[in-house]
Amino acid sequence: GDSVTQMEGPVTLSEEAFLTINCTYTATGYPSLFWYVQYPGEGLQLLLKATKADDKGSNKGFEATYRKETTSFHLEKGSVQVSDSAVYFCALLYNFNKFYFGSGTKLNVKP
Amino acid sequence: DVKVTQSSRYLVKRTGEKVFLECVQDMDHENMFWYRQDPGLGLRLIYFSYDVKMKEKGDIPEGYSVSREKKERFSLILESASTNQTSMYLCASSFIWGANTGELFFGEGSRLTVL
Repeated sequence: GDSVTQMEGPVTLSEEAFLTINCTYTATGYPSLFWYVQYPGEGLQLLLKATKADDKGSNKGFEATYRKETTSFHLEKGSVQVSDSAVYFCALLYNFNKFYFGSGTKLNVKP
Repeated sequence: DVKVTQSSRYLVKRTGEKVFLECVQDMDHENMFWYRQDPGLGLRLIYFSYDVKMKEKGDIPEGYSVSREKKERFSLILESASTNQTSMYLCASSFIWGANTGELFFGEGSRLTVL
C-alpha cells in the first residue's frame, strides 16, 4: 500500500548549518507531496507542497523537489535558524482525501 | 484565516469512561479527519468524514466512533476509554476541490491521558 518513510531524528544542527531531511514514498498512482511542520505546543501546519513530478515547493527558505524517478521529496534549507526547531512531517495525498504521513523528524537547532 | 478548534487541550479520564473530543472548523470544508499522534509512529488516521453523516474508517478505528451531524463539527468518541488510548489527538479539515485541494488545516491537538 501507499506509505511514506522519512529519516529518524532527532537531527541536531548549529545555527546557519545546511539541513536535509530525507523522505521517500511508495504509491501506486501520482500523489501530491507535502511537508508539514509542528512547532512546540502547536498543531501541524503546511510548510510546502508539490503536486506533480519535477515540481519544487518552497516556503520560508525551505525547498523540496518531487522526484518521481527516485520516489523522493527531500526537505532542504541552506541556513537553519533556532526558530526552525520543530518536528517535520512528510506526507502524501492520494485520491483527494487519503493522506499518509511519515513518522516525523525532530529538528533541534542550537545557537 | 482558517480555524480548526478542538474543545479541550488536556483531558484526564479513567479507564472505562466515555470520552468526547469535539472539533469545529469555520471554513466550510467538506473533509474532516481525526488522527492520533504517538512518538515514533507519526500520525495515524482514525476516521474521516467527507460530508455530513458520512464517515469512513481510517487505519486504526478500533475502540473509536465518530459523529458528524453538522458540516462544521466532527466529534470523536471513545465509548470505553483504555490506557492504550492515551495519546495526542489531532483534528484536521480540508476542501475536496479547488486550488487548495490537499492542504490539511489542523487544530492544536487534545492530549488525553487515561488512568
